[in-house]
Amino acid sequence: GIQVEQSPPDLILQEGANSTLRCNFSDSVNNLQWFHQNPWGQLINLFYIPSGTKQNGRLSATTVATERYSLLYISSSQTTDSGVYFCAVGGKSTFGDGTTLTVKP
Amino acid sequence: DTGVSQDPRHKITKRGQNVTFRCDPISEHNRLYWYRQTLGQGPEFLTYFQNEAQLEKSRLLSDRFSAERPKGSFSTLEIQRTEQGDSAMYLCASSSGKGRLEQYFGPGTRLTVT
Repeated sequence: GIQVEQSPPDLILQEGANSTLRCNFSDSVNNLQWFHQNPWGQLINLFYIPSGTKQNGRLSATTVATERYSLLYISSSQTTDSGVYFCAVGGKSTFGDGTTLTVKP
Repeated sequence: DTGVSQDPRHKITKRGQNVTFRCDPISEHNRLYWYRQTLGQGPEFLTYFQNEAQLEKSRLLSDRFSAERPKGSFSTLEIQRTEQGDSAMYLCASSSGKGRLEQYFGPGTRLTVT
């Protein structure tokens, strides 16, 4: 099956800093999503991005399908950005182990 | 537009008991998925339905697990003779199945087996 690796596993930032989260995957895919999991366990959809670049406010994402990676950019981070960010790929969504982001005030 | 709902949100049961969870997908979504998530890991695929047909089951889904989607709307996941290793968050997701594969997740059911 598809292997998904996310890096870094943990990230600690000061409020206002920028960050880049990476997702590498082992095979070509027709589906890639980024999620933010809140402290109660709910997975919040951030981007559906099998290829190309999208932006939503302070967040943007880029997927380079031919090179099998995707990047999630968070600019001007806020404490509410804290949580676990997951990348999921493929029709049945194979998830990485996530990046735990902590934003300190 | 109502999102994906799951019931119950929390379940505590004793080892050996049977439990059943329910998932109501977004209306008109014909694909429904079940995942399991343990602490510190990403969700793992268990099974999925297209309408009422169960099209794929992961090898994680032992014989004690069964899922149904009888009328192509809501789905149930039953675990028989629960074990402590079944303690996890059980997540349900749905997608329209029409070209775009984007999945929307419910809030999950957290199972604790004592």
